[in-house]
Amino acid sequence: GDSVTQMEGPVTLSEEACLTINCTYTATGYPSLFWYVQYPGEGLQLLLKATKADDKGSNKGFEATYRKETTSFHLEKGSVQVSDSAVYFCALSGLRDDKIIFGKGTRLHILP
Amino acid sequence: DAGITQSPRHKVTETGTPVTLRCHQTENHRYMYWYRQDPGHGLRLIHYSYGVKDTDKGEVSDGYSVSRSKTEDFLLTLESATSSQTSVYFCAISAGKLGTEAFFGQGTRLTVV
Repeated sequence: GDSVTQMEGPVTLSEEACLTINCTYTATGYPSLFWYVQYPGEGLQLLLKATKADDKGSNKGFEATYRKETTSFHLEKGSVQVSDSAVYFCALSGLRDDKIIFGKGTRLHILP
Repeated sequence: DAGITQSPRHKVTETGTPVTLRCHQTENHRYMYWYRQDPGHGLRLIHYSYGVKDTDKGEVSDGYSVSRSKTEDFLLTLESATSSQTSVYFCAISAGKLGTEAFFGQGTRLTVV
């Protein structure tokens, strides 16, 4: 079945460092891909999305490109801030039944 | 913000008692989901619904049942709560069309003692 694999955390970086969180997927056809963010004590909220190959989603300085050839959707940011500390989830929405499948999440700590 | 409300937000219950969590939406979205979140496991799908009275199991459905008698409400019931069901439960909704995202509630923290 469809699945999402993302790098395990926690990831600890200093402020202004570059960030990459890896995400790969297994799915039939061309699923839609998402990154969600969860701040402490809150529910998940959509960070960005891409619905077809080579699309780039972007929001709040974060970017991710839908790579069909490598079945990947890595999250990147050029300069992180303390306020980016959160848990990040990669997810896909498949074609067969519209269920949304999540990766296990990556906790990010940004040190001032 | 999407109109999605979970109740209660916090609950402590005893082992063996039944518990019902409620998810209410005002978006008229077709799909509703129940997830549980546990350290080291991320989000795991319990059950989901794709319409009134149409539900299906997720990956961790044992010990849980759901009902959806109205578009706006999706109930999750723990028939006989166990300590392993201590978790944070999230409801989510989506339009179900390809490319549309899910919107999440604030979560319910359930403790089974």
